[in-house]
Amino acid sequence: NAGVTQTPKFQVLKTGQSMTLQCAQDMNHEYMSWYRQDPGMGLRLIHYSVGAGITDQGEVPNGYNVSRSTTEDFPLRLLSAAPSQTSVYFCASSYLGLSTYGYTFGSGTRLTVV
Amino acid sequence: TQLLEQSPQFLSIQEGENLTVYCNSSSVFSSLQWYRQEPGEGPVLLVTVVTGGEVKKLKRLTFQFGDARKDSSLHITAAQPGDTGLYLCATNTGNQFYFGTGTSLTVIP
Repeated sequence: NAGVTQTPKFQVLKTGQSMTLQCAQDMNHEYMSWYRQDPGMGLRLIHYSVGAGITDQGEVPNGYNVSRSTTEDFPLRLLSAAPSQTSVYFCASSYLGLSTYGYTFGSGTRLTVV
Repeated sequence: TQLLEQSPQFLSIQEGENLTVYCNSSSVFSSLQWYRQEPGEGPVLLVTVVTGGEVKKLKRLTFQFGDARKDSSLHITAAQPGDTGLYLCATNTGNQFYFGTGTSLTVIP
């Protein structure tokens, strides 16, 4: 089925470890983004990309890196995990003209940093 | 500072009741979207409203965009247990898309 695929679904990291959350979409969407969702805080934008080779920071980019080498893939890297990064992470994609088309979201990655 | 304020934060009602949830801001928006998120899943787009005063209906759900395009409401008629979920409003500023904190709705059979 077409959509946004996130892996892994669950992950436990130790403080200081690094890891990459994977995100892939097969809808030829130009726009991709990463959000984190915390209780009482809603969805907060980490990084986004409007096309291959172009990325930009959102509201809460510190501690995270992204790259966009292809249209399909938009991985999120945690450089040195901290307990404050315990959250549910969502990748989302859309055609440019996001306000018209809306997002398609992945099913999320639940990350715990101990 | 939250760009979009949603109320109420939590709502628990009996099956068959009607309800309205709100999304407010001090800013004017070109458009606004509503999403529903079920536990363990990502949000799913319900509707986009773009014109001040616009009303859109999706089965038992009625969405309204305020005349001044600074607020929106979602009204559910005769709520069903399947309506249970987190309802999020969202809008964009340039290329950045922002979400409200959501209204968590529980419909009790």
